[in-house]
Amino acid sequence: EDKVVQSPLSLVVHEGDTVTLNCSYEVTNFRSLLWYKQEKKAPTFLFMLTSSGIEKKSGRLSSILDKKELSSILNITATQTGDSAIYLCAHPGGAGNMLTFGGGTRLMVKP
Amino acid sequence: NAGVTQTPKFRVLKTGQSMTLLCAQDMNHEYMYWYRQDPGMGLRLIHYSVGEGTTAKGEVPDGYNVSRLKKQNFLLGLESAAPSQTSVYFCASSLRAGQGVTEAFFGQGTRLTVV
Repeated sequence: EDKVVQSPLSLVVHEGDTVTLNCSYEVTNFRSLLWYKQEKKAPTFLFMLTSSGIEKKSGRLSSILDKKELSSILNITATQTGDSAIYLCAHPGGAGNMLTFGGGTRLMVKP
Repeated sequence: NAGVTQTPKFRVLKTGQSMTLLCAQDMNHEYMYWYRQDPGMGLRLIHYSVGEGTTAKGEVPDGYNVSRLKKQNFLLGLESAAPSQTSVYFCASSLRAGQGVTEAFFGQGTRLTVV
């Protein structure tokens, strides 16, 4: 059974801080790791990571996969209040590419 | 661009009542999924479908049934609602993976309360 674990559970920072969110996985047949941001409603896609050591970047957000350590990190630099959300990490597995999610990290950015 | 649309957005049910949640996607995706999200537990897969006419159980299928009569629609049914089914339900869809994987797109969620 695939397992995805995220840490920390929650985080409170001030605007301008840099944060690092962690995701570790134990899966039968690794395909990729996906990061999502969830504000009030639907999770929205951020990154898909398939290769170890290659950073994906989008503005102030970046993510990297370490297949040796079975983990991934999501970095957010110069945080803004609009970054407040739950960040979810997931692995697609099985015949239907079903996503196994971690429990999420709830990030709150204070002004 | 509609994407993935869920109806209804909110519902309150009494214990023992039944209801159906509808999910519709206009992206011609093969795969569709129903997840539930509870505080501190992330999203858990209820049922999924890899194509029209096929469904399969996910991690937490008990108390739910699904049907995929048309490729674009995926219905989630609760035959006899229980308070433990109070949750936020998300539908998602994704392309069939050839050699790789594509991301899943999510609907806006249905907040269901069973009293």
